[in-house]
Amino acid sequence: LAKTTQPISMDSYEGQEVNITCSHNNIATNDYITWYQQFPSQGPRFIIQGYKTKVTNEVASLFIPADRKSSTLSLPRVSLSDTAVYYCLVGVPANYGGSQGNLIFGKGTKLSVKP
Amino acid sequence: DGGITQSPKYLFRKEGQNVTLSCEQNLNHDAMYWYRQDPGQGLRLIYYSQIVNDFQKGDIAEGYSVSREKKESFPLTVTSAQKNPTAFYLCASRPGGTSTYNEQFFGPGTRLTVL
Repeated sequence: LAKTTQPISMDSYEGQEVNITCSHNNIATNDYITWYQQFPSQGPRFIIQGYKTKVTNEVASLFIPADRKSSTLSLPRVSLSDTAVYYCLVGVPANYGGSQGNLIFGKGTKLSVKP
Repeated sequence: DGGITQSPKYLFRKEGQNVTLSCEQNLNHDAMYWYRQDPGQGLRLIYYSQIVNDFQKGDIAEGYSVSREKKESFPLTVTSAQKNPTAFYLCASRPGGTSTYNEQFFGPGTRLTVL
């Protein structure tokens, strides 16, 4: 399983755009990049997933360069409620032949949004 | 409502006692997982199960046991052999082979404190 590296923490202010970068130098051809969000004392929840270029949903955007060795989660105009830990993971979805084994959650990036 | 339930939310036990944490899902998901989270840390996999009556050890299985007699249920027993059982325990499930996402659905967690 490909290992990921993220900053331990980031600070931002309300209304700013936040970009969290994840490094995954050993990503395999069939791996997808997935981001999760976790609030204190809750389980993580899926935010977004992508394979290459750009993916956008109602919550965030995910930018993946051509070499796929890194990815950037972009949160537009953050609010206090976006204060959470964000995890970057890589793996093969079950529908594309991935095993049902675990996804590796590292320590994540603790984002603190200030007023 | 579909989802994953864990009970109880808080659990206190005396050292040396076995304790079983409940996890139930009505999402018709094939795979289920147990994670442990310590303060300021990421999630570490304890056990996972891909199908009924089958399960595999994760990274930190020592001192824990599981069963998967029904698709909906995946209870975790923390035995007296677990040296430091106080932690936040998270159960998750994941769809089967038709899923195109690396998406695990998490329960609300059980915070276990051993006195």
